[in-house]
Amino acid sequence: SQTIHQWPATLVQPVGSPLSLECTVEGTSNPNLYWYRQAAGRGLQLLFYSIGIDQISSEVPQNLSASRPQDRQFILSSKKLLLSDSGFYLCAWSVSGGAGNQPQHFGDGTRLSIL
Amino acid sequence: RKEVEQDPGPFNVPEGATVAFNCTYSNSASQSFFWYRQDCRKEPKLLMSVYSSGNEDGRFTAQLNRASQYISLLIRDSKLSDSATYLCVVNPYSGSARQLTFGSGTQLTVLP
Repeated sequence: SQTIHQWPATLVQPVGSPLSLECTVEGTSNPNLYWYRQAAGRGLQLLFYSIGIDQISSEVPQNLSASRPQDRQFILSSKKLLLSDSGFYLCAWSVSGGAGNQPQHFGDGTRLSIL
Repeated sequence: RKEVEQDPGPFNVPEGATVAFNCTYSNSASQSFFWYRQDCRKEPKLLMSVYSSGNEDGRFTAQLNRASQYISLLIRDSKLSDSATYLCVVNPYSGSARQLTFGSGTQLTVLP
């Protein structure tokens, strides 16, 4: 069966520090991968999605970036964090191909607090 | 107009009650629909897909009305464990990997 791992679970970082969140998927090949952010009490905001290695689409211009160096690895990064980057970051995967009718499956999330 | 709209609630219902949520979507070409459940401070989890003919999974029934562009979720015999936020999810980008758009959620609290 497929599993998705995301770490760390919680992170407290000072303003201006760098960020690296990692997500890996097991049990499937060539998944679509996604990064979302959820601010407190708000809905999910899609940040990036990827249909393959080194193929990243950005949904929202900001100081975050994403990379996919391996088929089942998705990394979210920032060079300098802002206070507004605080939130709950979720990685998700779905089966690739088809007519876009596949559900997404989420990792446990990383709760990021910027001080 | 938002792509996916839900009543945020909260819905507070007694145990054993039946409760229904509706969700409207703006893109008539949308092809795929889902309900997710999100517990407080946890990740969203797929509850059920929504099929054109409607579908049922135990106490949960999902319906799709394409003409009026809404989907619904009915929960019968509510349990305390049903307390969560229910997210309506739509794929307005048929054939695109961008896939899903999430509603902001409807909060349900089942009271003893």
